[in-house]
Amino acid sequence: NAGVTQTPKFRVLKTGQSMTLLCAQDMNHEYMYWYRQDPGMGLRLIHYSVGEGTTAKGEVPDGYNVSRLKKQNFLLGLESAAPSQTSVYFCASSYARGGARANNEQFFGPGTRLTVL
Amino acid sequence: RKEVEQDPGPFNVPEGATVAFNCTYSNSASQSFFWYRQDCRKEPKLLMSVYSSGNEDGRFTAQLNRASQYISLLIRDSKLSDSATYLCVVTPDRGSTLGRLYFGRGTQLTVWP
Repeated sequence: NAGVTQTPKFRVLKTGQSMTLLCAQDMNHEYMYWYRQDPGMGLRLIHYSVGEGTTAKGEVPDGYNVSRLKKQNFLLGLESAAPSQTSVYFCASSYARGGARANNEQFFGPGTRLTVL
Repeated sequence: RKEVEQDPGPFNVPEGATVAFNCTYSNSASQSFFWYRQDCRKEPKLLMSVYSSGNEDGRFTAQLNRASQYISLLIRDSKLSDSATYLCVVTPDRGSTLGRLYFGRGTQLTVWP
């Protein structure tokens, strides 16, 4: 199993350009997440999905859109990139829901390093 | 106030040392607790869950104090390979069914020979 994969690994954009980051998982997980990680800020949730065809906003959704047309794929779009979106983007997936001892383990992809000039 | 607060470090310790990291969380109804490890320029990976009774995995011991809303990770006999950033992670309250996790900013550890 490949686990969670992300494409591309690196990308440089100019302000105002658009792009889509692709996340794929082969573990049949229901839940998928997009995070961004910035120095000193930790991981912040952008959008997430609890199943095929459903998406929801996380902590920092502005400037991003997502789609989950297939269970195994979760796309993150930037319609008009801004320098503030320069970051490392991680996708993650998980199987189980919450609960006191439920396994909420999230499996992360290797990340996409995005620079917006 | 952030959901999870951690001392960012860095902690620089010699091989063989014992080091402890602390973390506090703001939501008293939080249900599950974890430590993740993130190597430089890599993705986070689950290190261990944290149970109320405390739990141990080899050289790693995790403790939870619900009354103080405090989580700790103790690493004994540090190895060079333990050098990484350790993320304290908390799930929200029982009402959430979304599997969401809240991450601390991480504590950086460097073990030197």
